[in-house]
Amino acid sequence: EVDVVESGGTWVQPGGSLRLSCAPSGFTFSSYSMNWVRQAPGKGLEWVSYISSEGGSTYYADSVQGRFIISRDNAENTLFLQMNNLRSEDTALYFCARGYKYSPFEYWGQGTRVTVSS
Amino acid sequence: QPVLTQPPSSSASPGESARLTCSLSSDINVRAYNIYWYQQKPGGPPRYLLYYYSDSDYGQGSGVPSRFSGSKDASANAAILLISGLQTEDEADYYCSLWPSNALALFGGGTTLTVL
Repeated sequence: EVDVVESGGTWVQPGGSLRLSCAPSGFTFSSYSMNWVRQAPGKGLEWVSYISSEGGSTYYADSVQGRFIISRDNAENTLFLQMNNLRSEDTALYFCARGYKYSPFEYWGQGTRVTVSS
Repeated sequence: QPVLTQPPSSSASPGESARLTCSLSSDINVRAYNIYWYQQKPGGPPRYLLYYYSDSDYGQGSGVPSRFSGSKDASANAAILLISGLQTEDEADYYCSLWPSNALALFGGGTTLTVL
């Protein structure tokens, strides 16, 4: 059975940094592309970032380009999102999800909450 | 920048059908993409429902009832999620999604479906 657990979310001041983690299980992590998707309070889903199975390709939404860095450790079956220069508009529940262009965001965790506020 | 537009809300009665639309901006053609649909209930994560490309290329998520189906209206450049035999448990937010390029994924703004 697939399980996805995100962690690392907390309150942080504007301009601060945070590192989120995601630890999926129940599938061969190193064989799949992964993504971060976020949901601001009361709002819809927003794709944030993608990383290929081996980590060689990464993509970002314009809203986070240059501030966020996605990475993965396939030996530890863990996905990361380094978030720098955080803004109030980054406040959201952050999900990690497996998927890419020809496959859906099929497995989701419960998310980890990031609050950016002074 | 491509945009997916969904009506904010929709309602239908139990046993009826609900037709949820996802309109694509003019710079992307619905014919060219896999359209993914997700369901999200309050307080929970999204759940993958299905994808639709064509009548010969579509797929259901694991455990998703066949009451949920997808289609496209090419003339309107829109994707459609049809839910037949509505049940009260179908009350949720529904999102469409696609990858307009290798480097970008989009979600629609979501439709809140009320079953009353």
